Amino acid sequence: NAGVTQTPKFRVLKTGQSMTLLCAQDMNHEYMYWYRQDPGMGLRLIHYSVGEGTTAKGEVPDGYNVSRLKKQNFLLGLESAAPSQTSVYFCASQRLAGGLGYNEQFFGPGTRLTVL
Amino acid sequence: AQSVTQLDSQVPVFEEAPVELRCNYSSSVSVYLFWYVQYPNQGLQLLLKYLSGSTLVKGINGFEAEFNKSQTSFHLRKPSVHISDTAEYFCAVSEWASGGSYIPTFGRGTSLIVHP
Repeated sequence: NAGVTQTPKFRVLKTGQSMTLLCAQDMNHEYMYWYRQDPGMGLRLIHYSVGEGTTAKGEVPDGYNVSRLKKQNFLLGLESAAPSQTSVYFCASQRLAGGLGYNEQFFGPGTRLTVL
Repeated sequence: AQSVTQLDSQVPVFEEAPVELRCNYSSSVSVYLFWYVQYPNQGLQLLLKYLSGSTLVKGINGFEAEFNKSQTSFHLRKPSVHISDTAEYFCAVSEWASGGSYIPTFGRGTSLIVHP
């Protein structure tokens, strides 16, 4: 049982390049989330998904796209990377509980992205 | 709409001293409250959570938190800290939202620094 895994762990991009971050979970969780963490800003929600084939925007969605084609995977894409997207990205998953928020989130180890 | 305020961005403390990390929230409905810990270069993991019932909640590693509805607070405490408690601590709140889905909100984090 690996929990939540993220690929890659580190990445350096040049401005304008594109890339995809992969999040995978083996807990059969319905909800999945992508956050970015910046110093002094805490965690900010980029996009989330409440089930396979569904996605929604979070607090800071601009410049990112997501897809959830399989229940266990949640992909975060950067189409044209910008230096402002330099950050640590965390994926999280959560078990559905009848729409109630009492189950905790399980987080991946993070992806450190630098955009030059 | 819910929001979370962690009143201290950094808390320095000596080993074996007690510590309190403060968290206040605002919400118009009933909430569920969480504390997560993030050790250096890792993802977040759950310390404890309050769903209902007793207002004093015990978590892992000797931490506990007290829910105070009148003061809308959920402060985290430990009677005697260890060097290994040095980490970033995040308070989070979630509430039931219409439609059966919800979004958790995180505070900006408190950095606990334990000195020998």
